[in-house]
Parts: sequence; structure tokens; C-alpha cells
Amino acid sequence: NAGVTQTPKFQVLKTGQSMTLQCAQDMNHEYMSWYRQDPGMGLRLIHYSVGAGITDQGEVPNGYNVSRSTTEDFPLRLLSAAPSQTSVYFCASRTELGNTIYFGEGSWLTVV
Amino acid sequence: AQSVTQLGSHVSVSEGALVLLRCNYSSSVPPYLFWYVQYPNQGLQLLLKYTTGATLVKGINGFEAEFKKSETSFHLTKPSAHMSDAAEYFCAVSDWGTGGGNKLTFGTGTQLKVEL
Repeated sequence: NAGVTQTPKFQVLKTGQSMTLQCAQDMNHEYMSWYRQDPGMGLRLIHYSVGAGITDQGEVPNGYNVSRSTTEDFPLRLLSAAPSQTSVYFCASRTELGNTIYFGEGSWLTVV
Repeated sequence: AQSVTQLGSHVSVSEGALVLLRCNYSSSVPPYLFWYVQYPNQGLQLLLKYTTGATLVKGINGFEAEFKKSETSFHLTKPSAHMSDAAEYFCAVSDWGTGGGNKLTFGTGTQLKVEL
């Protein structure tokens, strides 16, 4: 059972470039979300989804887009990367009624 | 609205000493509370969680935490620290206890250092 899989694990981008962080889960979870982790700030919610076709903004959505065309996948798109988006990104999922959230291994992104 | 306050961004203990990491929360709904541990360059590992029922929760690696509603606290303890416990610890509160929420709010983390 793979759980929550994120790719890539490490990425370096130039300012202005775009990229997509991939997230896939094989647990048939309805809820998926993206967090970013920055030193001294803990994890902050970027976007979340409660099911295929439904997404909503979290605490820090600016500069990011998401879509949820299938239950399994929840990609995070950086439209025009900025140095302020240098961070560690975590994808997570849970069932609608579940009390445990499952995290991916993280994606380390550096924007230069 | 929810929030989590972790007192002390850095805590240092001697090996074999008591570990106490403090977490206070605020929540407008009955909270679910979590402690996660993160080792350098790794993801988050769930240590323990409180949802309902017994207020003293035991987790992995000898850690436990007690939910105290009157104090809005969920402090993490371990009787005897081990060198392998050195890591960053995050407290988190969710609003999905009532079935309708989606938010998991994290504290800013506490870096635990264990010294010989």
C-alpha cells in the first residue's frame, strides 16, 4: 500500500518558471490537501479538496492552483515561481469521517 | 477559528531526563489534537492523537499526552529522553471533530535537543 505519494522530492526552479507538484493517494480518500512548511511557521494550508471536482482555498493560496479531476490525484501548480515559494510542500489525505490525516514524504522546492 | 501555541521553539534536555513539550490550543468546536514528529529532511510522523474518550493518550516511542479541556492544553511528555528523540515536534488541532471541517492548524514547532 503506497499511501500518499509526492513527486518530485527535490526541485530547483528559476524565478518565473512554472511547475506542478504531483500528489497521488491509493486509499480512496475523499479529502486531500496541500501544506507548505517554512522555518518557524509550522505547516500552513494552501488548498484543499473534499472530493473530485471540488477545491477550495486554504490559508496561503496566492500563487498556487489546484484541480481534482480524480479521487486519486491532487496536483499543485506554481504558475510563476517566486523566491518566496521556496519551501517544503506536503500533500495529505484522509477519509471524510476519518480522524487521521496521512502525509506524503514532502517535496523540497527551491526558487532561485 | 483555531490556533495552536507551542511554548518554546527550542527545548534541551539531558539523556534520561523528562521531556515536556507544551501545547495550548483554541478551538470553537470540540477539537481533535495531534502530535507529529519530524526528523531532518523527512516527512511528518504521527506520534499520537486525541479524538474522544480517554484524555491520557499514549503514542509511539514512549510518548504520551494529556488532553486538559479546562486548561486548553495538550502537552507531550516522555519519562526518559533518548538521543534518538532529537527532532522537531509539531502540535496540531483540527476542526473536523464535528464532521464538517477541513482545517488542520499546526503550531510553529519545538526543536528538541537531547544532550549526553
